Amino acid sequence: DQQVKQNSPSLSVQEGRISILNCDYTNSMFDYFLWYKKYPAEGPTFLISISSIKDKNEDGRFTVFLNKSAKHLSLHIVPSQPGDSAVYFCAASVTGNTGKLIFGQGTTLQVKP
Amino acid sequence: DVKVTQSSRYLVKRTGEKVFLECVQDMDHENMFWYRQDPGLGLRLIYFSYDVKMKEKGDIPEGYSVSREKKERFSLILESASTNQTSMYLCATNHGFLNSPLHFGNGTRLTVT
Repeated sequence: DQQVKQNSPSLSVQEGRISILNCDYTNSMFDYFLWYKKYPAEGPTFLISISSIKDKNEDGRFTVFLNKSAKHLSLHIVPSQPGDSAVYFCAASVTGNTGKLIFGQGTTLQVKP
Repeated sequence: DVKVTQSSRYLVKRTGEKVFLECVQDMDHENMFWYRQDPGLGLRLIYFSYDVKMKEKGDIPEGYSVSREKKERFSLILESASTNQTSMYLCATNHGFLNSPLHFGNGTRLTVT
């Protein structure tokens, strides 16, 4: 039973355009959400997070939006760069269960020059 | 900068062998985790530890055990390797404070034949 789902296995965008990666969750107990980026042959690296008390968090080119009623979050990358090409994992947790994350399946983003 | 080192990049083992995967961190983090990554399934938590000599089961502990004799070292043990344990294994660490992000090692690709 996949509690966190990324329904798009892959996404391709042109350099300079917006990339939007989506994530859905089913467990209403989740109150903290994160995005990780993974390059081949490397471990995932933390990108950005959001608490359920917010609906938006921004860090440079990266913005995460949270819609609690729809149990949906999205990661926006503007503008997209070729170096953003990687696998992006959405993850969720219950505050207090630090490090015990439930991950989505991942979305492979390709940014074309 | 946090360094999480996994002793082997690639391992090939035979069915029934006992396998040890080692992870060492240099940032004095309290918490350590073992995840496995499989295509279409994302990352799944196997075991974790919040302190020396302490261990807790994650979401998929069957067929695995762990050892944490020192704060900086967390070992994953496959008591009798099976082909369905062929996977990418990722060690991660974080501080004990609320919602501290995970720092991952580069992974060990284990193949069981």
